[in-house]
Amino acid sequence: KQEVTQIPAALSVPEGENLVLNCSFTDSAIYNLQWFRQDPGKGLTSLLLIQSSQREQTSGRLNASLDKSSGRSTLYIAASQPGDSATYLCAVINAGNNRKLIWGLGTSLGVNP
Amino acid sequence: DAGVTQSPTHLIKTRGQQVTLRCSPISGHKSVSWYQQVLGQGPQFIFQYYEKEERGRGNFPDRFSARQFPNYSSELNVNALLLGDSALYLCASGMVGGTPDTQYFGPGTRLTVL
Repeated sequence: KQEVTQIPAALSVPEGENLVLNCSFTDSAIYNLQWFRQDPGKGLTSLLLIQSSQREQTSGRLNASLDKSSGRSTLYIAASQPGDSATYLCAVINAGNNRKLIWGLGTSLGVNP
Repeated sequence: DAGVTQSPTHLIKTRGQQVTLRCSPISGHKSVSWYQQVLGQGPQFIFQYYEKEERGRGNFPDRFSARQFPNYSSELNVNALLLGDSALYLCASGMVGGTPDTQYFGPGTRLTVL
């Protein structure tokens, strides 16, 4: 059974710092991995999607990497800003016909001005 | 182009009542998935529909049901509401088989059961 774990559960950093959020999964037979952002009480915003054949994806100050063999992904945020404060969730889709997302519990990020 | 829309945004019900939540996918998307997110937890998969057929079902009781209409919109029904059903209900649309298979989420419906 696929399990997704995110470390740390919470993180507080000063503005301008570079940071790394970690996601690990137990079954390497994934279709893809997706990183999301969730603001308090709000829905989910897709940040980056990495296909199982890819190693990384970049969007602006965000870079996500994927190491399928070790069951790990990282989300790198460069030059953090107070507006980056949110909960970051990673989710995997297992290979197969069912495209359901399996989620971690998220990392709550606070960026202090 | 409009994103995924959900209605209503907020809902308050009492135990034992029934509720219907609605979702409209992004134009051109044929897949709709439903997730339940309890406060402080990650979302839990409830259902996925593709081309009006159920593609997957999560570990939820039979009180939860859903359907997808010919225009690909979807409804989630929950009968005999319990306090534990209070959560944010999220709908996501995607193009099964498309590349990349990104899931796009709506803003969610916040259900409170008293």
